[in-house]
Amino acid sequence: EAQVTQNPRYLITVTGKKLTVTCSQNMNHEYMSWYRQDPGLGLRQIYYSMNVEVTDKGDVPEGYKVSRKEKRNFPLILESPSPNQTSLYFCASSFSSGAGIETQYFGPGTRLLVL
Amino acid sequence: AQTVTQSQPEMSVQEAETVTLSCTYDTSENNYYLFWYKQPPSRQMILVIRQEAYKQQNATENRFSVNFQKAAKSFSLKISDSQLGDTAMYFCAFMKGGSNYKLTFGKGTLLTVNP
Repeated sequence: EAQVTQNPRYLITVTGKKLTVTCSQNMNHEYMSWYRQDPGLGLRQIYYSMNVEVTDKGDVPEGYKVSRKEKRNFPLILESPSPNQTSLYFCASSFSSGAGIETQYFGPGTRLLVL
Repeated sequence: AQTVTQSQPEMSVQEAETVTLSCTYDTSENNYYLFWYKQPPSRQMILVIRQEAYKQQNATENRFSVNFQKAAKSFSLKISDSQLGDTAMYFCAFMKGGSNYKLTFGKGTLLTVNP
């Protein structure tokens, strides 16, 4: 089954304790992205990757890092989490068929609470 | 920068009736894509419908259709024969063509379908 998976789905942590949220897709997509969703703000892009070893900042990259060492994986790293990073996080993937941009597929979301 | 505006934070409709959700966007681009995503209580992001800006014909997917007015920069979603399972948050999203594939989201409209 084609899917985007995220782990963990729920996480409670404390300020300053490094954490990683994993994202994996089995569709051989080149493009992957991270979004955060906050009440009243919709979803905002954090980082994206056009392919292996190619990453760039989105609209709200502060406090986050990413890496893309393999095509299927795109982990989101919070080196020193703070309470303002409490949010719902989504990973998404897509490819371009040549006829245009294809639809982005979203993971199930990771709910993070930073105390 | 692109912006997406959903002017209706909440809406309700009776089961089997028709409802229209509004979305306007601001862009200077000519090549772009528009999407409606549905987010039910499970928080999963589900694609409802997509529209390529170069296509004049409005997209339809079963009970869902759009009214795409390019000159007015308007992209409304019509849901016919509303069902209880349509209860969800609906997000309108914009993507610039040939770009980094970033989706710019509106803040969402919470739709409740009443029995």
